[in-house]
This record gives sequence, C-alpha cells and structure tokens, in this order.
Amino acid sequence: NAGVTQTPKFQVLKTGQSMTLQCAQDMNHNSMYWYRQDPGMGLRLIYYSASEGTTDKGEVPNGYNVSRLNKREFSLRLESAAPSQTSVYFCASRMDRVSNQPQHFGDGTRLSIL
Amino acid sequence: QQQVKQSPQSLIVQKGGISIINCAYENTAFDYFPWYQQFPGKGPALLIAIRPDVSEKKEGRFTISFNKSAKQFSLHIMDSQPGDSATYFCAGSYGQNFVFGPGTRLSVLP
Repeated sequence: NAGVTQTPKFQVLKTGQSMTLQCAQDMNHNSMYWYRQDPGMGLRLIYYSASEGTTDKGEVPNGYNVSRLNKREFSLRLESAAPSQTSVYFCASRMDRVSNQPQHFGDGTRLSIL
Repeated sequence: QQQVKQSPQSLIVQKGGISIINCAYENTAFDYFPWYQQFPGKGPALLIAIRPDVSEKKEGRFTISFNKSAKQFSLHIMDSQPGDSATYFCAGSYGQNFVFGPGTRLSVLP
C-alpha cells in the first residue's frame, strides 16, 4: 500500500527553467493538496483540489500552476523557477473535504533552484 | 486570524521525561485539531487529533489537552523515548483549510 507517492525525490534547477512535480495517491481520496515547507514556517498551502476537475488557490499560489489529471494524480508546475521557490514540496490527500479527517502526506520533493 | 502559534521552537528532554508542546489558535471556525509527527526526510504523519467538544484525548503515551475558552491546545508525550525525536506540528482545520503551526523540534536524549 503505497499511499501518496511523489516524484522526483530530489531536483536541482537553474533559474528560469520549468518543471513539473508529480503526485499520485492510491487511497481513492477525493481531495488533494500541494504544500511547501520552509524552515520555521511550517507547511503553507499552494493549491488544492477538492475533487477531480476542480482546483483552488491556497496561501502561496504565485509562480505555480496545478493540474488534477484524474482522481489519483495531482501535479504541480513551476513555469519559470526562481531561487525563492527553493523548498521541500509535499503532496497530501484526504478522503473528503469534510472536517475531522486527516491529510495523508507523501515523502516530499526537495527542490533547489540555483 | 488564520494563524496557529506553536511553542517552543525546540525542546530537549531526557529519556523517560515528559515532553510538552503548546499551540494557540485564533480562528474559532476550526473544528479539528490534528498533531503531525515528521522524521527527517519523510512527510508528516498524523499522530493524534481532537475535536473542540472534547477536553482531552489520550492514545498510548500521547495526550492532547484542549482548552476551548483559551483557544489553546497542547501535546503531552509521557515517558519520552529517543525514537520520539522528530519535528511536531499542530494544526487547526475547518473544511478544506488546514493551518499548521511552525513546528517544534524534539530531541530525546538517551
């Protein structure tokens, strides 16, 4: 049972390059999320998808785009990477948007932008 | 009003001691308060969670105490073990919103 799988695990980019981070879950969850984690700042929500075909902005969406490809997959794209986007990116999923349900996280993508 | 404050930033405890991490929230719409545990190189994993209509929840060595009137909640780890060394995040949630605290790095000395 893989849970939430993120690829790649590590990536180094040059400023201005583009990249797509992949996320897939096998728990038949409806909601999926992308966070970034920076030292001392906890997890900040970039985008989320409450269901297949819908996406919404979170707290820090600038510089990112997302695609909910199907119920299992939710990708995050950096069109023109900037050093400020150096971070650890986590994908999460949850059964439904109803409260009292936890999010399940992948193990992250560590992204460095030079 | 979305912020969740967490303290201390780091905590060192001897094996067998009690670890206490405190959180405070502002948004009274929050109706679910989870704690996550994160080991280096891994994603956060749910440890224990509580709803605001409950004042305390215990699971093994882990206990959440919740004070709705003060808008505060805390995690107590009894008989702390070196394997508990990790970063702990509290969060407040309602609907699709999850607001995380900045994290507490716990080190349990053998």
